[in-house]
Amino acid sequence: QSVLTQPPSVSTAPGQKVTISCSGSSSNIENNYVSWYQHLPGTAPKLLIYDNNMRPSGIPDRFSGSKSGTSATLGITGLQTGDEADYYCGAWDISLNVYVFGTGTRVTVL
Amino acid sequence: QVQLVESGGGVVQPGGSLRLSCAASGFTFSPYGMHWVRQAPDKGLEWVTFIRSNGTQYYIDSVKGRFTISRDNSMNMLYLQMNSLRVEDTAVYYCTRNTGSGLAPGDRWGQGTPVTVP
Repeated sequence: QSVLTQPPSVSTAPGQKVTISCSGSSSNIENNYVSWYQHLPGTAPKLLIYDNNMRPSGIPDRFSGSKSGTSATLGITGLQTGDEADYYCGAWDISLNVYVFGTGTRVTVL
Repeated sequence: QVQLVESGGGVVQPGGSLRLSCAASGFTFSPYGMHWVRQAPDKGLEWVTFIRSNGTQYYIDSVKGRFTISRDNSMNMLYLQMNSLRVEDTAVYYCTRNTGSGLAPGDRWGQGTPVTVP
């Protein structure tokens, strides 16, 4: 049972914007860096955002990350059919001394 | 190019053992912390364990005392020794290098190796 809560699913039309929330606590999101991952079934997860808002090389600027207090948000603009996947937030939890992933959000492009 | 390649997965009876390996190439392995992450069938991602460059280890509670992460910097290898395996350990296991200013699974992942405990 994850300590980071995400909406189970979000959907929108191609070309539109979607935001995914990640709710945590002072022991994880508020006092540690947040990362975001994209995961397509049968493939390796892909890092989209690290250190709250940094993009690894090769990740387009359609993907953005932000954090405020105990919550973080992933934004995806110009949604494409190729963006259909599961998205997870993650952060180190200093109380549990483990890394925690969010519950995951399935993005559907209508 | 940076590459992580896992091996060692398979089918093992409850109570059995497996040793997963992760071969790293294309980057200087020793300074990087390394993680193992798993995904059980129809479940989300679950972090399992992390080893710092200095050998300090962290584990989720459900594997403490059963799993051991280790590394051989001379061989650019990461390992996960899994003992007393349980049905709930069934998952695809990924190795990944740490990325960023904190402790976080990162920018390079292996293709995953499946472990089945029927």
